[in-house]
Amino acid sequence: KAGVTQTPRYLIKTRGQQVTLSCSPISGHRSVSWYQQTPGQGLQFLFEYFSETQRNKGNFPGRFSGRQFSNSRSEMNVSTLELGDSALYLCASSLGSEQYFGPGTRLTVT
Amino acid sequence: GENVEQHPSTLSVQEGDSAVIKCTYSDSASNYFPWYKQELGKGPQLIIDIRSNVGEKKDQRIAVTLNKTAKHFSLHITETQPEDSAVYFCAAVGNAGNMLTFGGGTRLMVKP
Repeated sequence: KAGVTQTPRYLIKTRGQQVTLSCSPISGHRSVSWYQQTPGQGLQFLFEYFSETQRNKGNFPGRFSGRQFSNSRSEMNVSTLELGDSALYLCASSLGSEQYFGPGTRLTVT
Repeated sequence: GENVEQHPSTLSVQEGDSAVIKCTYSDSASNYFPWYKQELGKGPQLIIDIRSNVGEKKDQRIAVTLNKTAKHFSLHITETQPEDSAVYFCAAVGNAGNMLTFGGGTRLMVKP
């Protein structure tokens, strides 16, 4: 069974721009969660989608948003990028409690 | 909200020795505790987990223990090998969906 895939793997953007990251979950998994990983803050929960509905949201500003499609694929969007948004963005899919992570998208904001 | 503390932040052991990583959590409603291994350039990999109705779980060289009363759980790796070198994260999940709250991570180095 294929794992979680994330595209793109690497991205360089300029302050003020916006970015969209994509995640394809493991086949059959309906829950997709997003996390931000930075050296200073560690792994932090952004939001979770289940059956196209946001089920949980972490403590991030409204510039961070997401959505889930009927095939369970998910996208997250960050608008008005700031230098501090540079991070590894991880997507995890789950069927029950176990969450399986993709390789992440490395976003660099210059 | 939930808060997870993890110790130590770095751990260096000789090949063949055991390694123990400890975590504490704050929310007594948390009921699922996974452990992840992250290698350089990769996403976290689920290696073992434990639920709140179980005290211990083993899978070959790794084991996890949970003390609900004290709100702490630990990862034990026996007969460590160089390929065990990685960053390990503990996490806790409460009743609010699948939101993982992670500990700060432990960098494990296994010296040959």
